[in-house]
Amino acid sequence: SAVISQKPSRDICQRGTSLTIQCQVDSQVTMMFWYRQQPGQSLTLIATANQGSEATYESGFVIDKFPISRPNLTFSTLTVSNMSPEDSSIYLCSVSEGEGGYGYTFGSGTRLTVV
Amino acid sequence: KQEVTQIPAALSVPEGENLVLNCSFTDSAIYNLQWFRQDPGKGLTSLLLIQSSQREQTSGRLNASLDKSSGRSTLYIAASQPGDSATYLCAAPSSNTGNQFYFGTGTSLTVIP
Repeated sequence: SAVISQKPSRDICQRGTSLTIQCQVDSQVTMMFWYRQQPGQSLTLIATANQGSEATYESGFVIDKFPISRPNLTFSTLTVSNMSPEDSSIYLCSVSEGEGGYGYTFGSGTRLTVV
Repeated sequence: KQEVTQIPAALSVPEGENLVLNCSFTDSAIYNLQWFRQDPGKGLTSLLLIQSSQREQTSGRLNASLDKSSGRSTLYIAASQPGDSATYLCAAPSSNTGNQFYFGTGTSLTVIP
């Protein structure tokens, strides 16, 4: 299965600033996703990162707040913009190597604290 | 939309016990289901992926079963060890949202030496 490198592993940021999280995969993958895990909660899908086109966002998430890039089949970034303490969460990159039946692989996550 | 429920929310057992974690889902028209392990503050590690055509999958001391008709999956851990302490998450897709996986809230397991 694919191996994912996610950076940074953790960060403490000032409110009002932005943080860009990188996700690098060691092989070309069809599907890339970004999830958020708020403290004590399960995972919520933010968006599907589409190669060469705009990301597909889930209800409650917007591009201005969480801009996503995916320039190729092995790399994606998620930016958390104009941060507030409510954005403190673990952000996770995930990939699936095909549609249906392949399962998902996750990165090690980025633990973000906004002060 | 798929809804995934896991019980119990937390479980504490002495080392060496066998245990069962439960997962239920509302949309049974799934093509697979996946179990993950998450250590505190970390990412997810895939444990087992069960295809819809399978009834169970085994990896070492772990065995996962899938009953689509009843909308249930179980994760069986044999001879539990302190290193098994973690949160276990169940995830399933929805038949009408393509590849999006929906996660349960997890079972927090503590194995006491």
